[in-house]
Amino acid sequence: RKEVEQDPGPFNVPEGATVAFNCTYSNSASQSFFWYRQDCRKEPKLLMSVYSSGNEDGRFTAQLNRASQYISLLIRDSKLSDSATYLCVVNSNSGYALNFGKGTSLLVTP
Amino acid sequence: SAVISQKPSRDICQRGTSLTIQCQVDSQVTMMFWYRQQPGQSLTLIATANQGSEATYESGFVIDKFPISRPNLTFSTLTVSNLSPEDSSIYLCSVLEDTGYGYTFGSGTRLTVV
Repeated sequence: RKEVEQDPGPFNVPEGATVAFNCTYSNSASQSFFWYRQDCRKEPKLLMSVYSSGNEDGRFTAQLNRASQYISLLIRDSKLSDSATYLCVVNSNSGYALNFGKGTSLLVTP
Repeated sequence: SAVISQKPSRDICQRGTSLTIQCQVDSQVTMMFWYRQQPGQSLTLIATANQGSEATYESGFVIDKFPISRPNLTFSTLTVSNLSPEDSSIYLCSVLEDTGYGYTFGSGTRLTVV
């Protein structure tokens, strides 16, 4: 079983739509959780960290369910510029290095 | 956040040769990592580069194939040795910032082996 699993998509949504991505992780001892965004042929960039209480940053809301080992990302009022691959990221067994999901592709259309 | 300069940005190499990738950070960082991203795949950790000591390699990666140097807290190199077409990939360095900002990535090196 992979350490971090995501639905690869692609998710095709119209501008203004709300879209949700899900992710599960296998290591119950993981402590740090992130969503990264990767544009085509670019390096991953931190979108937001994910906290147990859930957190929001503008149009983006992240949730963590430790009991189910499940992480989600909700994007409201999608913009064309949100089109990218969204990577679910969890810290690894070694503590500091990261395990990446394969990413979920999002395409926002006019 | 830290600014990372990764070089080269891309290269085309012959089988059997080696490529050394450099990663320079504009601030001192304790933790530095090297990742590989194969076509259509997500990132896989190769190793953690430890300053002043040998790197810590993940399962499936060995020092003879991926020697790493970390001479100080702002610089590291990854060499991909004895290249084969299967090594064609994007290689990225990453740092965990001591300021608590989180993880930042270099812009990546796109390697094609012919």
